[in-house]
Amino acid sequence: ETGVTQSPTHLIKTRGQQVTLRCSSQSGHNTVSWYQQALGQGPQFIFQYYREEENGRGNFPPRFSGLQFPNYSSELNVNALELDDSALYLCASSLEAGASTEAFFGQGTRLTVV
Amino acid sequence: ILNVEQSPQSLHVQEGDSTNFTCSFPSSNFYALHWYRWETAKSPEALFVMTLNGDEKKKGRISATLNTKEGYSYLYIKGSQPEDSATYLCASFKIYNQGGKLIFGQGTELSVKP
Repeated sequence: ETGVTQSPTHLIKTRGQQVTLRCSSQSGHNTVSWYQQALGQGPQFIFQYYREEENGRGNFPPRFSGLQFPNYSSELNVNALELDDSALYLCASSLEAGASTEAFFGQGTRLTVV
Repeated sequence: ILNVEQSPQSLHVQEGDSTNFTCSFPSSNFYALHWYRWETAKSPEALFVMTLNGDEKKKGRISATLNTKEGYSYLYIKGSQPEDSATYLCASFKIYNQGGKLIFGQGTELSVKP
């Protein structure tokens, strides 16, 4: 087990709705990254938070937003859901944001937009 | 190479066979190469984090090599067992804003038949 938990595991939403996905990192891990994995592809970087500040963002629109809390939990929020947002969303926590720092992943949240 | 690419996409072997697969990545501005193993319904788990050209890492029957000058890494599994069945992901670390992100390949799905 990686010690990183995500909730919920599965979710079905309607186009146009908003969704919040949650991640509980390992205690002491200051960095959390979120990834989207569409069918048949590798995970794609959405954004990263370090000590509650956004630390980098991938090619995702502003309707994807996040928060990181002092208790090592974090959220991914998606507004105005589109059908193409259907994917597996993974969070990964690490001690720091360095290149050789191991990332610990959660099991993911499977989001289906209908 | 502009992206991270893995080959083959899938592999079916018999128990006891040895196997290997490839990860190709951009060789310029290299920082680190991560290998993950992802079993169905579980979290991706880190196998190796490799940073030095010529590096070789080993964990039990699994080993990996790294060539940063030509931009490739090989993962070897000796004497495959059914419990090795999983998707193997590689990711190149890229510095991004104040942190960094993992750029993933699409994975190699390994199936080991008893």
